[in-house]
Amino acid sequence: EAGVAQSPRYKIIEKRQSVAFWCNPISGHATLYWYQQILGQGPKLLIQFQNNGVVDDSQLPKDRFSAERLKGVDSTLKIQPAKLEDSAVYLCASSLDAGAHQPQHFGDGTRLSIL
Amino acid sequence: SQKIEQNSEALNIQEGKTATLTCNYTNYSPAYLQWYRQDPGRGPVFLLLIRENEKEKRKERLKVTFDTTLKQSLFHITASQPADSATYLCALGVGSSASKIIFGSGTRLSIRP
Repeated sequence: EAGVAQSPRYKIIEKRQSVAFWCNPISGHATLYWYQQILGQGPKLLIQFQNNGVVDDSQLPKDRFSAERLKGVDSTLKIQPAKLEDSAVYLCASSLDAGAHQPQHFGDGTRLSIL
Repeated sequence: SQKIEQNSEALNIQEGKTATLTCNYTNYSPAYLQWYRQDPGRGPVFLLLIRENEKEKRKERLKVTFDTTLKQSLFHITASQPADSATYLCALGVGSSASKIIFGSGTRLSIRP
């Protein structure tokens, strides 16, 4: 079974620029998550999709972050404009279905550095 | 306020010994608790899940306990090996209908030969 694919692996941009991340979840997984992980901390949920609908985006800074999951498969996360505090690893995960009883499968993330 | 606390200091264990990692939580009532392993530069990998009505769960050399009275989970690795060196994250299943998980900050475990 192919894992969760993310690209790019690394991105360096200047503050106020925009950036986009891409995620391809495990085939057949209905639920997709984007997390932000700051160095030394655990992953923090930004947004959760069930198929192509948003289930939880309560911690997504909506003035600068946006995400979509077209056709209920791939997803993109965008930051525009970026701030210094956005420097982090952005992780995508997927699970067979929603719920805390489901194991989540993570990609290796995109490491974002803001100069 | 709600908190999830894991050993903030790194844990250094001699190979062959049992490593015990702690996850304490405050002001949560999780229906599930998950443990993940994370290696440097990689995403977390799911290890074990335990339900609130289960006291203990085992998988090969791994054992997890869940005490809802103490609000604590313990994660044990028996016969530890250098390859077990990694950061271990606990995650609580919370929200209406236990709809999402919240991660702790993790404990870095180092097994010396």
